[in-house]
Amino acid sequence: DTEVTQTPKHLVMGMTNKKSLKCEQHMGHRAMYWYKQKAKKPPELMFVYSYEKLSINESVPSRFSPECPNSSLLNLHLHALQPEDSALYLCASSQVPGNLNTEAFFGQGTRLTVV
Amino acid sequence: GENVEQHPSTLSVQEGDSAVIKCTYSDSASNYFPWYKQELGKGPQLIIDIRSNVGEKKDQRIAVTLNKTAKHFSLHITETQPEDSAVYFCAASIRGFQKLVFGTGTRLLVSP
Repeated sequence: DTEVTQTPKHLVMGMTNKKSLKCEQHMGHRAMYWYKQKAKKPPELMFVYSYEKLSINESVPSRFSPECPNSSLLNLHLHALQPEDSALYLCASSQVPGNLNTEAFFGQGTRLTVV
Repeated sequence: GENVEQHPSTLSVQEGDSAVIKCTYSDSASNYFPWYKQELGKGPQLIIDIRSNVGEKKDQRIAVTLNKTAKHFSLHITETQPEDSAVYFCAASIRGFQKLVFGTGTRLLVSP
């Protein structure tokens, strides 16, 4: 199983809503990532978790709150978002951080629209 | 910070032709360079990667070359097929592979 599963595939939320994006992998990977991708742009790193601990936060606004409950799950909690936060949110995972044989696997993404 | 430039932004070829996409990176500490293919509505899929101790790597119709001195790396696709049509991203890693910085992407269109 080399799959990273993201739910939901599509999400529409109001600016006062609270919602969560979910990501799951069963490859035994110990590094998990959240990326944000705007239309016709490359993915931009938001957060990195290594061994279930937050290791990189790319100065992301606090309205995005990541959580890694265990080694297989990664959540992104959303609150008070702005329309400009509308994007494709991608989850990825890779083996032990720093391993030379690391390959990052991406999920299909959650298409988020903030209205 | 780390920056990756990618050219061209769009590339149109006829089926059977070769396609070449080039990237330049700025951080000399970068040592891992993957290439991703992203089809419409899907997440990026790794198609080939190269590490800094290797100059060239090939996998069937796809090859990647790396020039560390010039900080250039390139993707070569031979005998292109319509199903190769997609957006291709190069990337470079820093901080021990925890962070991938992506190029701006190349939209490849292969016409039958």
